[in-house]
Amino acid sequence: KNEVEQSPQNLTAQEGEFITINCSYSVGISALHWLQQHPGGGIVSLFMLSSGKKKHGRLIATINIQEKHSSLHITASHPRDSAVYICAPTGGSQGNLIFGKGTKLSVKP
Amino acid sequence: EAGVTQFPSHSVIEKGQTVTLRCDPISGHDNLYWYRRVMGKEIKFLLHFVKESKQDESGMPNNRFLAERTGGTYSTLKVQPAELEDSGVYFCASSSSSYEQYFGPGTRLTVT
Repeated sequence: KNEVEQSPQNLTAQEGEFITINCSYSVGISALHWLQQHPGGGIVSLFMLSSGKKKHGRLIATINIQEKHSSLHITASHPRDSAVYICAPTGGSQGNLIFGKGTKLSVKP
Repeated sequence: EAGVTQFPSHSVIEKGQTVTLRCDPISGHDNLYWYRRVMGKEIKFLLHFVKESKQDESGMPNNRFLAERTGGTYSTLKVQPAELEDSGVYFCASSSSSYEQYFGPGTRLTVT
């Protein structure tokens, strides 16, 4: 069993839809990153959170440390949100990340 | 403020050759991480520097990989000799004490 499980693996949405990507992990962590990777490969950190909820524009991330679960929500999705979204808890004592396989999101106009 | 930079962006080498990847972290970031993604797999941790010291190199696949961070600024990752299975995208990230990591654009390595 992978230490980080994301669902769904692939997601196709219509522009304007509300999107949720889920992440469950089995390792003990101090924090969790949500990352975005566009075609072309560059990785952008969207959030780092260790408790509760964070919001940035149309993006919302939540985490429940006790349940070892995090979610990334996108409100009013747009085609430019199409990318791979990766959940990455900090697995090591020094902050190195353990990566999920990613969720490939495609938002159609 | 400049972000994390990596050089080269793409490298194509033959099996048995040597390649050196470079990462320049954000200025002032003591923590520097190397990760890689091989085809079809999730990104995996390779190693972690704090300043010039290797804090954790548990993810390095074998002794063909050598990472250095002389002076605690930029880092290099040398693969010698390269094998076909080393092909992939190598990412570097840096962070300050807050542990929020900022990623470079990656180096795509192709070993033929």
